[in-house]
Amino acid sequence: DQQVKQNSPSLSVQEGRISILNCDYTNSMFDYFLWYKKYPAEGPTFLISISSIKDKNEDGRFTVFLNKSAKHLSLHIVPSQPGDSAVYFCAASDNNQGGKLIFGQGTELSVKP
Amino acid sequence: DTAVSQTPKYLVTQMGNDKSIKCEQNLGHDTMYWYKQDSKKFLKIMFSYNNKELIINETVPNRFSPKSPDKAHLNLHINSLELGDSAVYFCASSPRLENYGYTFGSGTRLTVV
Repeated sequence: DQQVKQNSPSLSVQEGRISILNCDYTNSMFDYFLWYKKYPAEGPTFLISISSIKDKNEDGRFTVFLNKSAKHLSLHIVPSQPGDSAVYFCAASDNNQGGKLIFGQGTELSVKP
Repeated sequence: DTAVSQTPKYLVTQMGNDKSIKCEQNLGHDTMYWYKQDSKKFLKIMFSYNNKELIINETVPNRFSPKSPDKAHLNLHINSLELGDSAVYFCASSPRLENYGYTFGSGTRLTVV
């Protein structure tokens, strides 16, 4: 029972355009959501997060949107750059889980020049 | 001066062997984790430790034994390796429990033949 799902294994976007990565979850107890970025042969690096009391969080070119009623979050990257090409993981947690993050299976973003 | 370092990066071994993966963090974090990335690319938590105390043991076979000699180190020992143990193992740390901004190591690719 995968509680966090990223249904698109890959996404290809032109440089300068918007990249939208999607994530769905099933556990209504999740109260904190994060996006991580991973380059090949490296560990994931933290990108941006959002608490369940908010519906949007922005950090430079990266914005995360949370729709609690739909149990859906998305990461928008504007404008996309070739250096953004990586695998993006969505993750979620609830406060009662002792710091455990549940990850999706990742979406590989390719930004073409 | 890598923040979270894992050794070895690659490990190829025969079924039935016992092996260890070491992890060290120099960030002064209280909490450390082991995650396994399987063939379907999901990152799944195995263990977490907070100040050397086991917090999460996520129904991992008891062939896997974590050891935390101090809060900067979390090693993973695996007995009687099986083909299904082949995966990438990531160590991570966070400042404290329920601070989800993990810093990951670069991973250890374990191949059991």
